[in-house]
Amino acid sequence: AQSVTQPDIHITVSEGASLELRCNYSYGATPYLFWYVQSPGQGLQLLLKYFSGDTLVQGIKGFEAEFKRSQSSFNLRKPSVHWSDAAEYFCAVGAFLGQFYFGTGTSLTVIP
Amino acid sequence: NAGVTQTPKFRILKIGQSMTLQCAQDMNHNYMYWYRQDPGMGLKLIYYSVGAGITDKGEVPNGYNVSRSTTEDFPLRLELAAPSQTSVYFCASIGVGSGRQNEQFFGPGTRLTVL
Repeated sequence: AQSVTQPDIHITVSEGASLELRCNYSYGATPYLFWYVQSPGQGLQLLLKYFSGDTLVQGIKGFEAEFKRSQSSFNLRKPSVHWSDAAEYFCAVGAFLGQFYFGTGTSLTVIP
Repeated sequence: NAGVTQTPKFRILKIGQSMTLQCAQDMNHNYMYWYRQDPGMGLKLIYYSVGAGITDKGEVPNGYNVSRSTTEDFPLRLELAAPSQTSVYFCASIGVGSGRQNEQFFGPGTRLTVL
């Protein structure tokens, strides 16, 4: 069965510190992987996506993610966090234009 | 472009009432989706559509119905509202071959409470 696991419900980091959000997926075929960010009361905005090719993908706002097939992981990273990065982050896996499965999200708090 | 729009933004229903959540997109996207987001949970797919006249069930379709008579509109119908349907509902669409292939564009959401 398809599923996405985000093990960390909540993470707190200091501004300027590095960040890594974990995502593990279970999917029977080659996955299409996404990271979205959601600010309070807002819809979801795409940060980055992976379909194929280079396993390190760059996204908006200085985020990057690395696809590791052997670990079924797609972790999100940022070298230096800004206060404006505080939000909810969702990892998702999807078939090509078919159903999408979302993780339960990781809430990020940034301490000044 | 307005993108994906949803109405209403907020709604309170009584148990057993019915309502339609409206979703429209002006990007000529063929693929549209309805999700619900419960507190502390990710998004669960309710229904999706790959084009006008074509719909399919997602993970949690029970208690909902959809129709897709036009490319632009994808309304979600609740026939007999139940407290378990209290949630935030998001509509999304995907454009194919637009250079942003497979990026889901999300609406702002409809917050529904059933009492």
